Amino acid sequence: NAGVTQTPKFRILKIGQSMTLQCTQDMNHNYMYWYRQDPGMGLKLIYYSVGAGITDKGEVPNGYNVSRSTTEDFPLRLELAAPSQTSVYFCASTPGARGIAEAFFGQGTRLTVV
Amino acid sequence: KQEVTQIPAALSVPEGENLVLNCSFTDSAIYNLQWFRQDPGKGLTSLLLIQSSQREQTSGRLNASLDKSSGRSTLYIAASQPGDSATYLCAPYSGGGADGLTFGKGTHLIIQP
Repeated sequence: NAGVTQTPKFRILKIGQSMTLQCTQDMNHNYMYWYRQDPGMGLKLIYYSVGAGITDKGEVPNGYNVSRSTTEDFPLRLELAAPSQTSVYFCASTPGARGIAEAFFGQGTRLTVV
Repeated sequence: KQEVTQIPAALSVPEGENLVLNCSFTDSAIYNLQWFRQDPGKGLTSLLLIQSSQREQTSGRLNASLDKSSGRSTLYIAASQPGDSATYLCAPYSGGGADGLTFGKGTHLIIQP
């Protein structure tokens, strides 16, 4: 009954470093999403995927990359970290296009770039 | 592009009051709308999922209504308690695409003991 699992929970990066935020779900959901949440703001979509091998950009994709080699995993890659990427990152999944069932969210990764 | 507005942005009320949180969205072509709760420094907890064909959904002291044609949803909290203090987010779901699951900025709720 794990749902959506994100790792790590916290991370401090130096400017210019790279890292991968991991996200995995065990519900066999087709759709997965990455959001970032800045203080006082709503969640903004970075990238999403409608199935293995298929990804697309959301509202704020610059500075990030994703891949979806399996249904379960949807890692988010930060290349050349910048202070503007300091944020809380959430991964989510839904069963598919029709939205019959609810969306599930991970507990988030709090990233600070210094 | 789906846009979501939540009113009020913040609300502080004494314990025991009934209250209503409002959510409006610009694209009525949605499959469902979900209400979430977010505690400080935590993730999102799903409260209620209301399908586009439904008018209401209830869970305990929470009741969500949906008027899809007018692009509005309300979350009603009965007999509020200090433990209800959190940020409440609504998210209409339009299916695939970048507008699939769009969020408002939320309503920050404080229930005074």
